[in-house]
Amino acid sequence: ETGVTQTPRHLVMGMTNKKSLKCEQHLGHNAMYWYKQSAKKPLELMFVYNFKEQTENNSVPSRFSPECPNSSHLFLHLHTLQPEDSALYLCASSQLASGGTGAGELFFGEGSRLTVL
Amino acid sequence: KQEVTQIPAALSVPEGENLVLNCSFTDSAIYNLQWFRQDPGKGLTSLLLIQSSQREQTSGRLNASLDKSSGRSTLYIAASQPGDSATYLCAVKGTGFQKLVFGTGTRLLVSP
Repeated sequence: ETGVTQTPRHLVMGMTNKKSLKCEQHLGHNAMYWYKQSAKKPLELMFVYNFKEQTENNSVPSRFSPECPNSSHLFLHLHTLQPEDSALYLCASSQLASGGTGAGELFFGEGSRLTVL
Repeated sequence: KQEVTQIPAALSVPEGENLVLNCSFTDSAIYNLQWFRQDPGKGLTSLLLIQSSQREQTSGRLNASLDKSSGRSTLYIAASQPGDSATYLCAVKGTGFQKLVFGTGTRLLVSP
């Protein structure tokens, strides 16, 4: 497999469910990102991991919990979500310069379409 | 706070036309600017990345320019094709931190 792979592509869950989104990058990058894309709104950065360490939590509610076990895998654990959390969740990766500065080209996965009932 | 605007929000052209998509940003202290394409319900595909020191980048029928002083970038598409129909997004990265700020995109429709 090449690029950035996200599973599942579609997910429907109730507000009391617990589910997880998975992302895997095969590009050898050292940074991974979760973005949320809602209708008619710009992409919103949720979390950033540099070298497996979380460096950004963009005021995301605690019902979203990221996990980055290594530089190739990223999870987004979902718990007691709200209908307004329904959106396309996009994972991305990039190669950062040493020290975590700078940002190379960003590569995205196909996204996970989440519907909360 | 960086703000990115893309105008127009939607554009419809006949096949074969050359067209220009616009992206403007409020803070000229940028690290790079990236253009993406997004097909309905899909992820983003990177088209071109322009570093702050560059003026333009070209890939096939695509040419992206960057004018930092005026806070503008354009994406030029030559000889448009129906397969170019998609939403085009620009994203700007500021200096010092890796957070990208995205515009809301331009939805392009190229009719046969």
